[in-house]
Order: sequence, then structure tokens, then C-alpha cells
Amino acid sequence: GAVVSQHPSWVICKSGTSVKIECRSLDFQATTMFWYRQFPKQSLMLMATSNEGSKATYEQGVEKDKFLINHASLTLSTLTVTSAHPEDSSFYICSARDSRGVGTEAFFGQGTRLTVV
Amino acid sequence: AQTVTQSQPEMSVQEAETVTLSCTYDTSENNYYLFWYKQPPSRQMILVIRQEAYKQQNATENRFSVNFQKAAKSFSLKISDSQLGDTAMYFCAFMKQGTSGSRLTFGEGTQLTVNP
Repeated sequence: GAVVSQHPSWVICKSGTSVKIECRSLDFQATTMFWYRQFPKQSLMLMATSNEGSKATYEQGVEKDKFLINHASLTLSTLTVTSAHPEDSSFYICSARDSRGVGTEAFFGQGTRLTVV
Repeated sequence: AQTVTQSQPEMSVQEAETVTLSCTYDTSENNYYLFWYKQPPSRQMILVIRQEAYKQQNATENRFSVNFQKAAKSFSLKISDSQLGDTAMYFCAFMKQGTSGSRLTFGEGTQLTVNP
């Protein structure tokens, strides 16, 4: 099946610094990718929809200046957490679906555990 | 807007037995997909099974089957012959039929524990 690779798997950063998370579709093209945040024992909360070549669409309550999304190619989307604070510590997951519309399955990255100290 | 509700936060089952996880949803759409995803301790999301709303026949994948009741907006997952590796968080999800940009709406999840 299709693979979505997310990097890094975990990262620890100091408060005030920025962290970039990459999401790559390895064997298909994705004009749209999705970024989720997940707290322990909770569901996935959609943060934003990443659109190749255009601005991302953010969900209500998500600060677009804090969570910068870039989708510069059909296989790569990045999420940058700017000026990270301890409350940004969480598990971040990306997903993508084949742009050709082949099948309906969404493929997920392995997730990134971010810890801000 | 669509909503997905999983009313069982936690469930447990003995190995080799059968368990059913519940899911209800609300939508005004007529064409959509429903999914069950599994998230084991590794936290990798894995598709378990999917159902197209236009299909009356319930989907099955080996030990996993669904009971899809469109009029009642119910979509339960039955796991037969439960195995220790089935221990995971299970999420029910809804997606409108459309382009690859269609988003998934997830339920709150059910933590399933399979006991030896």
C-alpha cells in the first residue's frame, strides 16, 4: 500500500525555538495533505488542510502564524511550529490521499512527538 | 457538518472471543464513506475496514466486519476471534464522497484491550 513518511518521529526543543516536521508521500502524489494534533487518549483533531501551491486552510482556533504550513510539491508538506511553548507539546500526525482519486483510503504518517522544554 | 460518536471509551475482551464496537454518525449527505481505523501503541494509524454508503452489503475483512445501518446512521465494528495484537485505540471516521481533498471526521475513539 501507499506510504506516507513523517520526520522526525520525535523531537525535543527549547521554549521559543521553531521546529519543522516533514510529511512525504513516497509513492503517490498528493495535492492535499492534512495535519492533525492528538493529545493522549484523545481523538485526532484536524489542524489544517495543506494545499499544494496555495495557502493552507486552518481550522477554527488554530493560529496560522504559529503553525506554518508549506506544501511546495506534490509529495511534500511541512508544518513548522514557531516560537514553541510547552503547551505545544503534543503528537502531530499528517495524512494524505492519492490525488488521482484512486481508492478512498487516507494514509497516515508515523506521527511526531513534540516535547517543548 | 458531520459528527461521529463512539459511546464506548473503553472495552475489553478475552482472547478468541468476539467484540463489537459501536459508532453512530450524523450527516445530511447521501454519498459518503465510513471507516474504522486502528491506532496501536506505536500510534501508527492503520485502516481496518471501509464501507461505501451506497453499498447495502456490509464490508468484511477477514476477522473484521461491520454492521452498516444507513437509515439509523449506525456503523459498528465486529472483531471475531480477538487476538492480543488487536489491542489498540479504534476510531470510527466519516468522509464525504468527493475529491482527494475530502476530510475525515473522527469519533472520540474506543480503547480495546484483548486479555489473554
